[in-house]
Amino acid sequence: AQSVTQPDIHITVSEGASLELRCNYSYGATPYLFWYVQSPGQGLQLLLKYFSGDTLVQGIKGFEAEFKRSQSSFNLRKPSVHWSDAAEYFCAVGARDGNQFYFGTGTSLTVIP
Amino acid sequence: KAGVTQTPRYLIKTRGQQVTLSCSPISGHRSVSWYQQTPGQGLQFLFEYFSETQRNKGNFPGRFSGRQFSNSRSEMNVSTLELGDSALYLCASSLVAGHQETQYFGPGTRLLVL
Repeated sequence: AQSVTQPDIHITVSEGASLELRCNYSYGATPYLFWYVQSPGQGLQLLLKYFSGDTLVQGIKGFEAEFKRSQSSFNLRKPSVHWSDAAEYFCAVGARDGNQFYFGTGTSLTVIP
Repeated sequence: KAGVTQTPRYLIKTRGQQVTLSCSPISGHRSVSWYQQTPGQGLQFLFEYFSETQRNKGNFPGRFSGRQFSNSRSEMNVSTLELGDSALYLCASSLVAGHQETQYFGPGTRLLVL
């Protein structure tokens, strides 16, 4: 069965520090991969997505993610975190041969000044 | 272009009642998906509609149903509400079905069942 794992429930970083949020997936083939961000009381906003091609994907707000097939991972990175990045981050996978869509359990990011 | 809108934003119901939530997709989008978000279960896929047809359904009981109209607006209905149905219900739209299409999420309807 397909699954998405975000091992870190909560991460705290200092403003200006680098960030890496982990995401691992279990799927029979390479799925579509996404990172979403959810601010308190808000819906989800797409940060970036990977479908094919270059395994390093650039997104909005200075985020990037790298697809590593050998590790079944799609980790999200940002070189310098801003206080406004504090939010909940969700990794998601979508089946290429169907319409099921699975979210990870999310990683809550706190940014300290 | 206006985003995905969901109404109402907040709702309080009591056990045993039923509720209908509405979602208006981005203009031109024909696919609408629904998700339930709870602290315990996270984000779970409910179902997806495309061109008024249910394309896929998650693992939820039959109390959860939906439909899509010819203008792509979608409604979700939950009958015989249970306390565990308290959640944020998110709607997402995309141009067509399939995950090659980016989903755009609405702000959600927060349902509280007492």
